[in-house]
Amino acid sequence: DADVTQTPRNRITKTGKRIMLECSQTKGHDRMYWYRQDPGLGLRLIYYSFDVKDINKGEISDGYSVSRQAQAKFSLSLESAIPNQTALYFCATSDPLAGANNEQFFGPGTRLTVL
Amino acid sequence: GEDVEQSLFLSVREGDSSVINCTYTDSSSTYLYWYKQEPGAGLQLLTYIFSNMDMKQDQRLTVLLNKKDKHLSLRIADTQTGDSAIYFCAETSLQNAGKSTFGDGTTLTVKP
Repeated sequence: DADVTQTPRNRITKTGKRIMLECSQTKGHDRMYWYRQDPGLGLRLIYYSFDVKDINKGEISDGYSVSRQAQAKFSLSLESAIPNQTALYFCATSDPLAGANNEQFFGPGTRLTVL
Repeated sequence: GEDVEQSLFLSVREGDSSVINCTYTDSSSTYLYWYKQEPGAGLQLLTYIFSNMDMKQDQRLTVLLNKKDKHLSLRIADTQTGDSAIYFCAETSLQNAGKSTFGDGTTLTVKP
């Protein structure tokens, strides 16, 4: 079974709709991240959380919000989706105490299309 | 903020060596990474190097770090078609509060 799962894997929605992307992990990591990937722009950090009570904005948080419901769950919401939020979204986890290198573990991604 | 840069595309013939280059700006980087992304999948750590090392070798992979020039490279020997993917350079530092900064990714195409 995958350690980091994302639902849904694909979503098509319309401008103005509220969308929630969910991420669950079984790795027991405290740190979780949401990124978006656009062609030619690499990965950009949206929000991150270093534990259940900690939420931090990344470089492109406008138009997004998050909720850390438990150590294992970190959700990303688009309150009113717009077409330029069409992208591939990745959740990731890490635990700097679990290994020597603070490696991040990624989910399979959610492809979101906003029409 | 900190920046990581890499060229977007590289094309090689099967059996040749591939070299993917990366430059970064954070002089306090502690770890530098190479992640691989195969089509339709998330990123997966390929290899990493600690900032006090110059080189790391792991089977067909060789990572070179020039800390003075803030330059990282990944060499893949005897490149195979299965190596076709996007390769991301990334770095972590205390200054970055333990987060990782990723480059834009290099798409490696291996031609038979």
